[in-house]
Amino acid sequence: EAGVAQSPRYKIIEKRQSVAFWCNPISGHATLYWYQQILGQGPKLLIQFQNNGVVDDSQLPKDRFSAERLKGVDSTLKIQPAKLEDSAVYLCASSELAHWNTQYFGPGTRLTVL
Amino acid sequence: TQLLEQSPQFLSIQEGENLTVYCNSSSVFSSLQWYRQEPGEGPVLLVTVVTGGEVKKLKRLTFQFGDARKDSSLHITAAQPGDTGLYLCAGAAGGSYIPTFGRGTSLIVHP
Repeated sequence: EAGVAQSPRYKIIEKRQSVAFWCNPISGHATLYWYQQILGQGPKLLIQFQNNGVVDDSQLPKDRFSAERLKGVDSTLKIQPAKLEDSAVYLCASSELAHWNTQYFGPGTRLTVL
Repeated sequence: TQLLEQSPQFLSIQEGENLTVYCNSSSVFSSLQWYRQEPGEGPVLLVTVVTGGEVKKLKRLTFQFGDARKDSSLHITAAQPGDTGLYLCAGAAGGSYIPTFGRGTSLIVHP
């Protein structure tokens, strides 16, 4: 079974530029999560989708971050414009609807904002 | 304020030593998960504990869920260099389905 795929693995941009990350969850997983993990900290949930609907986005900085999962499968997370403090690893995870507390994570995208 | 407090934050030990890491909260959790994360990779689920007082063993790792379902511990017996990594606890408080993670315990096991 293929795992959660993310791309790109690394991205370096300058502040005020835009960036987008892509995630393809495990086939059949209804729930998809985007996390931000700053160095030395645990992952912080940004947004949680169930199919193509948003379950929670209370910690998503909506003035600059956006995410979509239009067809209920893959998802994109966008930052526009980026700030220095957005430098982090962005992790995508997915889970089955019936086993929401068992999350499978992708390798993450390491973003550096200069 | 972290919903899940993990301690210690860092741990550096020699191969063969035992260790315990803790995950504490003032909130009740329906379940808690423990993950291990290696550099450059996403977290990998080790175990889920559901019942208060539950003890689960995974080879040299022993996980315990507190009776009140507010805390958990992970004990590693005879640590090996392959145990090196960031250990994270996670869960959803109360009846929520929205997960939260602790800051993690960074473990280094020296050969």
